[in-house]
Formats: sequence, structure tokens, C-alpha cells
Amino acid sequence: KAGVTQTPRYLIKTRGQQVTLSCSPISGHRSVSWYQQTPGQGLQFLFEYFSETQRNKGNFPGRFSGRQFSNSRSEMNVSTLELGDSALYLCASSSGPGLAFEQYFGPGTRLTVT
Amino acid sequence: AQTVTQSQPEMSVQEAETVTLSCTYDTSESNYYLFWYKQPPSRQMILVIRQEAYKQQNATENRFSVNFQKAAKSFSLKISDSQLGDTAMYFCAFMLEKETSGSRLTFGEGTQLTVNP
Repeated sequence: KAGVTQTPRYLIKTRGQQVTLSCSPISGHRSVSWYQQTPGQGLQFLFEYFSETQRNKGNFPGRFSGRQFSNSRSEMNVSTLELGDSALYLCASSSGPGLAFEQYFGPGTRLTVT
Repeated sequence: AQTVTQSQPEMSVQEAETVTLSCTYDTSESNYYLFWYKQPPSRQMILVIRQEAYKQQNATENRFSVNFQKAAKSFSLKISDSQLGDTAMYFCAFMLEKETSGSRLTFGEGTQLTVNP
């Protein structure tokens, strides 16, 4: 079974631009969560989608948004990029929300904002 | 809000020896789960072990075991017979068992473990 895939793996953007990151969950998984990892703030939860609905949202500004498609693939969008948005963005998929369904992480997308 | 604290930013151990990584957490909830994740240089997060708070028995997975002290809100990870491949950043994580919380994980700051030959 293929694992969680994230595209692109690396991205360089300029301040003020917007960016879209993609996450394809493991086949059959319906829940996708997104995390931001930075040296200063560590790992922080962004949001979770299940069956195309946002179930949970972390404490991030409205510039960060996401969506999930009917095939469970998810995208996250960051508008008006700031230097502080430079981070590793991880997504995780599971069969459903909650512990009963173990989460599997993707390799991440490294975003650099210049 | 839940918080997770890992007070050891870095640790090192000799190959084949045993090492213990510390984690404390804070929550007012009774039903939750605790995890240890490993992140090697490849950045791929890998689940090492998990513990259900309602279980008194400490979880074990081969060379990995935990010491779960619910009253003290402590959750340490013991790695026995350390191997070079155990070199990684280790994160302690918390998840509430609550419908509204979904699969949200709260992570600690991480402990960089280096296994020396």
C-alpha cells in the first residue's frame, strides 16, 4: 500500500505570494491533518479534514486555509506569504478521526519564503 | 488547553546501552492517549509507541517501553539495546479522546537522541 504523499517536496516563494500544498492520503483513509514544523515553534496543528469537512482548526491566521476533495486528497493554501511561514509542512492521514485510527505521516513539504 | 513538555533538548547514548527520554504533560481531561514519535533526518514521522490513559499497564514495543505515571502526568520512553538507527528526534505527543478533538495531536519540543558507536 502506498504511503502518504506530499507534493511538492520543496518550494521557494517570495513574500506576498500565495502557495498551495497537496497531500494524498493512504488509499481508503478519509481523515487528513496538517501540521507546521519550525525550529522556533515546533510542531503545531493547523487543521483536520474528514469526509470533505473541516473538523478541527488550530490557532493560525485566516491566511492559512485548506480543503479536502471527494477522493480524500487535501490541499492547504497560504496566502500573502510571510517570512515566518518558512517551515516543514506535514500531513497525516488516518482511516477516521480519533485514536482508534492510527495516523501516518507524509514526508513533508519544505517551504522557504524569501 | 493541553501542553506537553520535554525537558531534554539533546541526549546521547552508546550503542547497546539503555536510554530514557522524559515527557510531562498537563491536562484537566481524564481520557486521552499519549504517543512517542520518531523523526529521523529524513523528516518522516514514525509512530514508536502509544499508551491509552485508561490502561494501567505500560506499553511495550520490542526494545521500546514507556513508564506512564498518570497521577504525576509523566510519560517517559525507554530504549533498550540502543542501535545506530535509533538516532533521531523523538517527540512526545498527546491526543484527547473527545469527538470534537478528532485526531489533533499536541507535540512536545522534541529530544534529539544520538546513538554513538
